[in-house]
Amino acid sequence: KAGVTQTPRYLIKTRGQQVTLSCSPISGHRSVSWYQQTPGQGLQFLFEYFSETQRNKGNFPGRFSGRQFSNSRSEMNVSTLELGDSALYLCASSPEAGRETQYFGPGTRLLVL
Amino acid sequence: QQQVKQSPQSLIVQKGGIPIINCAYENTAFDYFPWYQQFPGKGPALLIAIRPDVSEKKEGRFTISFNKSAKQFSLHIMDSQPGDSATYFCAAARGAGNKLTFGGGTRVLVKP
Repeated sequence: KAGVTQTPRYLIKTRGQQVTLSCSPISGHRSVSWYQQTPGQGLQFLFEYFSETQRNKGNFPGRFSGRQFSNSRSEMNVSTLELGDSALYLCASSPEAGRETQYFGPGTRLLVL
Repeated sequence: QQQVKQSPQSLIVQKGGIPIINCAYENTAFDYFPWYQQFPGKGPALLIAIRPDVSEKKEGRFTISFNKSAKQFSLHIMDSQPGDSATYFCAAARGAGNKLTFGGGTRVLVKP
């Protein structure tokens, strides 16, 4: 089975712009979670989607949003980018919404200038 | 509020040594404690996980010890190898869903 894929892998944006990141989960997986990884704050949970519904949400401002499509693919959007949004954004998928192994993708590295 | 505290931040051991990474949590509602390994340029990968009704779990050279009363758990890497050099994260979860709260990470270097 192919692993979790994330596109693009690298992205450079300027302050004030918006960005959309994409995640394709492992085939058959229905839960997709997003995390932000930075040297200062570590790995922080953004949100989780299951069957196109947001199940959990982390403590991030409303500029961060996401959605999941019927084929389980997910996108996250960050509007009005700030310098502090520079990070590695990781997507993880698991078969169901229960306490199962989450498989992480390689991430999208976002640099905000 | 850092709900999962991980120490040390970095660790250097010789090949064959036993790196030990410790984590402490505050929220007693946590009921699932996984450990992840991350290599540069890669996403984290699950190593081993434990639930609070078990005090120890082994998978290959990796062992988790869990102390529910102290709200602490630790990872031991037996007979460490240079290929184990990576960043290790402990995490915790509670309730439904897959929301993980991660510790700050420990960078482990195993010297040949």
